[in-house]
Amino acid sequence: QSVLTQPPSASGTPGQRVTISCSGSNSNIGSNYVYWYQQLPGTAPKLLIYKNNQRPSGVPDRFSGSKSGTSASLAISGLRSEDEADYYCATWDDSLSGVVFGGGTKLTVL
Amino acid sequence: EVQLVESGGGLVKPGGSLRLSCAASGFTFSSYSMNWVRQAPGQGLEWVSSISSSSSYIYYADSVKGRFTISRDNAKNSLYLQMNSLRAEDTAVYYCAREDTALVRGTFWYWGQGTLVTVSS
Repeated sequence: QSVLTQPPSASGTPGQRVTISCSGSNSNIGSNYVYWYQQLPGTAPKLLIYKNNQRPSGVPDRFSGSKSGTSASLAISGLRSEDEADYYCATWDDSLSGVVFGGGTKLTVL
Repeated sequence: EVQLVESGGGLVKPGGSLRLSCAASGFTFSSYSMNWVRQAPGQGLEWVSSISSSSSYIYYADSVKGRFTISRDNAKNSLYLQMNSLRAEDTAVYYCAREDTALVRGTFWYWGQGTLVTVSS
């Protein structure tokens, strides 16, 4: 059981907008930045969003992040087939003194 | 270009030990905190351990505390993970990951390709 809660799956058709939620608590999301990672099949994860809503250079602006209270969301607009991947949220947990991940969301592009 | 190359994985019996290494290049290794993150087969990501740039701050997941030791050699641009008393549930791909600061923030900006550790009799 992960400390952060994500839906196990999400799906959409090309061009659609999908959102993936990440729920935590005051000791993690509520008091720290949220990060999102994308893991394409068979590859290492890649940083997608940092500090709640910032994109590293090279990440398309189709990807956006937001945070409110103890929850965060990743939105992908203009869905493309190459977005099919696993997505993970993560943050520092002050009570655990460590990083906690969500269980991951498998995104399928129909 | 930032490069992180893990090595040292393999098959080990329960209760055994293994030492993972991560060779870093393309950046000033001594300026950044480093981490180990693992992924069991077909499962999600799990943070294992973090170490600050000067080794002053070290953190471990509860699942490995007392069994694993993270260390680094800034002169050799290398990160290590000494794993003792290995259990079947430690079977995973282990990734080395770099932060964007000298202090531990638990953020993974760059990742290696991973090395597989299999614990089985």
